[in-house]
Amino acid sequence: KAGVTQTPRYLIKTRGQQVTLSCSPISGHRSVSWYQQTPGQGLQFLFEYFSETQRNKGNFPGRFSGRQFSNSRSEMNVSTLELGDSALYLCASSYERGVEDTQYFGPGTRLTVL
Amino acid sequence: QKEVEQDPGPLSVPEGAIVSLNCTYSNSAFQYFMWYRQYSRKGPELLMYTYSSGNKEDGRFTAQVDKSSKYISLFIRDSQPSDSATYLCAAANFGNEKLTFGTGTRLTIIP
Repeated sequence: KAGVTQTPRYLIKTRGQQVTLSCSPISGHRSVSWYQQTPGQGLQFLFEYFSETQRNKGNFPGRFSGRQFSNSRSEMNVSTLELGDSALYLCASSYERGVEDTQYFGPGTRLTVL
Repeated sequence: QKEVEQDPGPLSVPEGAIVSLNCTYSNSAFQYFMWYRQYSRKGPELLMYTYSSGNKEDGRFTAQVDKSSKYISLFIRDSQPSDSATYLCAAANFGNEKLTFGTGTRLTIIP
């Protein structure tokens, strides 16, 4: 069974631009969560989607948004990029909702903002 | 103050040694505790999870939770060079898919 895939793997943008990242969950998984990983803050929860609905959201500004499609694929968008948005963005999928259901992480998208 | 605190290391130990990795947490509502391993340029992978105080063993790995002191530990016995990675502890509430992570401890096993 294929794992979680994320595209692109690497991205370089400049301040003020916007970016869209994509995540394809494991086949059959309906929950997709997004995390931001930085050396200083570690992994921080962005949001979670289940059956095309955002069910949980972390403490990030409104510039960070996401959506989920009917095939469970998910995208996240960051508008008006800032230097501090440089990070590894990880998505994780699970079959159902709830922490007791194992989340499987993708390899991440490395975003660099210049 | 972060809800889950973890010593970032780095930690270097010789092959075959017992490794102890630790985290503390402040949110009493946390009921699930997990350890993830992350190799360079890879996403985290779940090693172990537990939802009760006490020990849980899986091969060379033992996860320990002490809810009274809000302390989480991971022990690795007979450490191998392939164990070299960043180890992340995480905690969550029941029924909530949001994981709260520690910053991770970078571990190097020296052959």
